[in-house]
Amino acid sequence: QVKLVESGGGVVQPGRSLRLSCVASGFSFSSYGMHWVRQAPGKGLEWVATIWFDGSNKDYADSVKGRFSISRDNSKNTLYLEMDSLRGDDTAVYYCANDMEPGYFDYWGQGTLVTVSS
Amino acid sequence: EIVLTQSPATLSLSPGERATLSCRASQSGNSYLAWYQQRPGQAPRLLISDVSNRATGIPARFSGSGSGTDFTLTISSLEPEDFAVYYCQQRSTWPPGYTFGQGTKLEIK
Repeated sequence: QVKLVESGGGVVQPGRSLRLSCVASGFSFSSYGMHWVRQAPGKGLEWVATIWFDGSNKDYADSVKGRFSISRDNSKNTLYLEMDSLRGDDTAVYYCANDMEPGYFDYWGQGTLVTVSS
Repeated sequence: EIVLTQSPATLSLSPGERATLSCRASQSGNSYLAWYQQRPGQAPRLLISDVSNRATGIPARFSGSGSGTDFTLTISSLEPEDFAVYYCQQRSTWPPGYTFGQGTKLEIK
């Protein structure tokens, strides 16, 4: 079955960097787009970034453009999110999700919590 | 940029009752519309895509409908496990991106 496992979250000071990972299994990772979606404590869902199946195209929410970078290693079935210049409003649970049906978030990981605080 | 407005913010019903959740888009002409369920402490789960297509393993009591700017998720007879938060979502091709509604909390009356 499809499984997505995020890691890399933790407590980080404002202005610092963090890299999240998402290891995929149970489907042909290299055939599908992938996404990051976040959820601030007690709030709703916010799309963060998307990468095409081959990494050739990437899109970002305005709130993270220029600070976050999405990438993938299809040989390792792994998705990444490099987060720079972190701010307090980046505090959230970060989920990875796949794009088996284009335009939607079909399967989700369990999420990893990022807390930006001094 | 697409804005999705969900109503009501909170819906209080009893098991066995019918639930009707609404999602209104700020722009029409977009055929992408999905619904997700999020139970407390869990990741969201895709319920409905393309307005009315149930995802794999989703019970038949969940149905989606609508067109243009107005969309509806209906749960025909509520089960205890259906009490959760529901989000609608659309994809925008330009500017490229994805938008979620603010959510409707379905709570036990």
